[in-house]
Amino acid sequence: AQSVSQHNHHVILSEAASLELGCNYSYGGTVNLFWYVQYPGQHLQLLLKYFSGDPLVKGIKGFEAEFIKSKFSFNLRKPSVQWSDTAEYFCAVTTDKLIFGTGTRLQVFP
Amino acid sequence: EAQVTQNPRYLITVTGKKLTVTCSQNMNHEYMSWYRQDPGLGLRQIYYSMNVEVTDKGDVPEGYKVSRKEKRNFPLILESPSPNQTSLYFCASSLTQGGGYTFGSGTRLTVV
Repeated sequence: AQSVSQHNHHVILSEAASLELGCNYSYGGTVNLFWYVQYPGQHLQLLLKYFSGDPLVKGIKGFEAEFIKSKFSFNLRKPSVQWSDTAEYFCAVTTDKLIFGTGTRLQVFP
Repeated sequence: EAQVTQNPRYLITVTGKKLTVTCSQNMNHEYMSWYRQDPGLGLRQIYYSMNVEVTDKGDVPEGYKVSRKEKRNFPLILESPSPNQTSLYFCASSLTQGGGYTFGSGTRLTVV
């Protein structure tokens, strides 16, 4: 069955630290890949997406992600996090439907 | 403004009392979907719809019904709610099957 794995369940960082959140998926065919962010008490918002082309995609708020097909990975990165990045982050994959990972809770302390 | 609108935002109900959560999108999207979000489990798909009168089960469809009589609306129906359906529910829509989804603001349902 298709699945998405996010290995970091809870990440705690200080402001200005670098961030990398892991995402792996299991599906042998063509996929579209997404990262969504959910700020406390809010709905999900699209952070970035990959459909094809350059495997390094840039999203909003300084986030980027790299698609590595051989590793079935789509890790999210940010060079320097801010307190306002405190949120839950979800990796998602579309095959015939949109499948989410279990999410990574990021806490950034000033 | 392009958006997905869910109502109500909060709902407390009793076991067995039928309820409907409405979802409407104004973007002429073909695809619509319902998810529930539970701590530690992420978002799990309940039902999805590829077009008017075309719906299919997601990963956790038990205890839920949907309908898609019009393109813009995709209500979620709980015929006989139970406490294990207490959750945060999101409706989402997308123009294409593989595209990015736009999410509604969520409905927090408590069944006592």
